[in-house]
Amino acid sequence: ETGVTQTPRHLVMGMTNKKSLKCEQHLGHNAMYWYKQSAKKPLELMFVYNFKEQTENNSVPSRFSPECPNSSHLFLHLHTLQPEDSALYLCASSQVSASGNEQFFGPGTRLTVL
Amino acid sequence: ILNVEQSPQSLHVQEGDSTNFTCSFPSSNFYALHWYRWETAKSPEALFVMTLNGDEKKKGRISATLNTKEGYSYLYIKGSQPEDSATYLCAWGNTGTASKLTFGTGTRLQVTL
Repeated sequence: ETGVTQTPRHLVMGMTNKKSLKCEQHLGHNAMYWYKQSAKKPLELMFVYNFKEQTENNSVPSRFSPECPNSSHLFLHLHTLQPEDSALYLCASSQVSASGNEQFFGPGTRLTVL
Repeated sequence: ILNVEQSPQSLHVQEGDSTNFTCSFPSSNFYALHWYRWETAKSPEALFVMTLNGDEKKKGRISATLNTKEGYSYLYIKGSQPEDSATYLCAWGNTGTASKLTFGTGTRLQVTL
């Protein structure tokens, strides 16, 4: 148990659906992250929020829309996704002021786009 | 290099063997080097976060070293056990964007009896 939870753990959606992924951290951290893990590829950073402000958008298509209403919650809103968006989506949090910025990960949401 | 490379991609050892993996990263603008352990169906878990050249860290049978001048880190596992089976990820952070980590593809370790 890392203190970071994600729901749902598995999601199957059609290309015309709209869905949201949720992440919650119970660690009092000030930064939260979305990562994408595709097969045979390294973890790819998608978005970073520091103190609820988005500080990084790693050239992510607009069909992925993040939302950070407070420092404990992070959402990823999905709409009109493509089959190639099927992947494991990981959320993480950290205390950016801490030396080295250790990140704590959730278990991920396995997304399948049909 | 501007990316993080890990070798080998996968490794299969027997219980009791000692093993090591390599992580190569850009040597300029270094901020931190992280090692994570990722078991199947679980969350990646931080093993070590290293920030200083020459750092050596140890947790039980696992240890890591860091050379920031030449851009590499080694992870060592002494006397491997089946529960060590996992994917080991390294990630590099630079001084420009301390909150951003660049990950390698990982080394998948399988330890059998």
